[in-house]
Amino acid sequence: KAGVTQTPRYLIKTRGQQVTLSCSPISGHRSVSWYQQTPGQGLQFLFEYFSETQRNKGNFPGRFSGRQFSNSRSEMNVSTLELGDSALYLCASSSGVVGLEAFFGQGTRLTVV
Amino acid sequence: ELKVEQNPLFLSMQEGKNYTIYCNYSTTSDRLYWYRQDPGKSLESLFVLLSNGAVKQEGRLMASLDTKARLSTLHITAAVHDLSATYFCAVGSGTGNQFYFGTGTSLTVIP
Repeated sequence: KAGVTQTPRYLIKTRGQQVTLSCSPISGHRSVSWYQQTPGQGLQFLFEYFSETQRNKGNFPGRFSGRQFSNSRSEMNVSTLELGDSALYLCASSSGVVGLEAFFGQGTRLTVV
Repeated sequence: ELKVEQNPLFLSMQEGKNYTIYCNYSTTSDRLYWYRQDPGKSLESLFVLLSNGAVKQEGRLMASLDTKARLSTLHITAAVHDLSATYFCAVGSGTGNQFYFGTGTSLTVIP
């Protein structure tokens, strides 16, 4: 079965711009979580969406937002980009049942210049 | 906030040797996950541990969980070069699938 698909794979943006990243979870999965991975801070949780509702939120500024559609696809938006937002953004797909494993997509590499 | 510590951060070992990676976390949880990441790639799920005393094995890797000690270990037996990667532990928390990740252990297996 198809895995987790993230688009685009690579993105270069200028400071001050905004960006939207997309994640299509595994068919049948209702939970999508987003993580930011940087060399300095490691993997940090951004937020989780389950059945179109934000279920959990990490400690990131309001510039980071997300949403989930009825088909479980999720988008993450970052407004007013800063250089420090350069990172690998990973989304994780799971059934939504707490405790079961999550499957990660290939990620979107965002570079802010 | 839940803190997850892994050690060592870097591990260089010879083929055929055994070693253990440790994952300590700061608050109560009974959900512990191990992932592998190859350079430039995403995270691959290795193990899901959901109860105290849980032990799972796959090939040369074995993971265990001690919820009382807030400790999980990933034991590598007779390492081979293909195991070279970065290994992350992650602790589940809250009412959903929110994971707190450790710093990762970069493993290099030397022939």
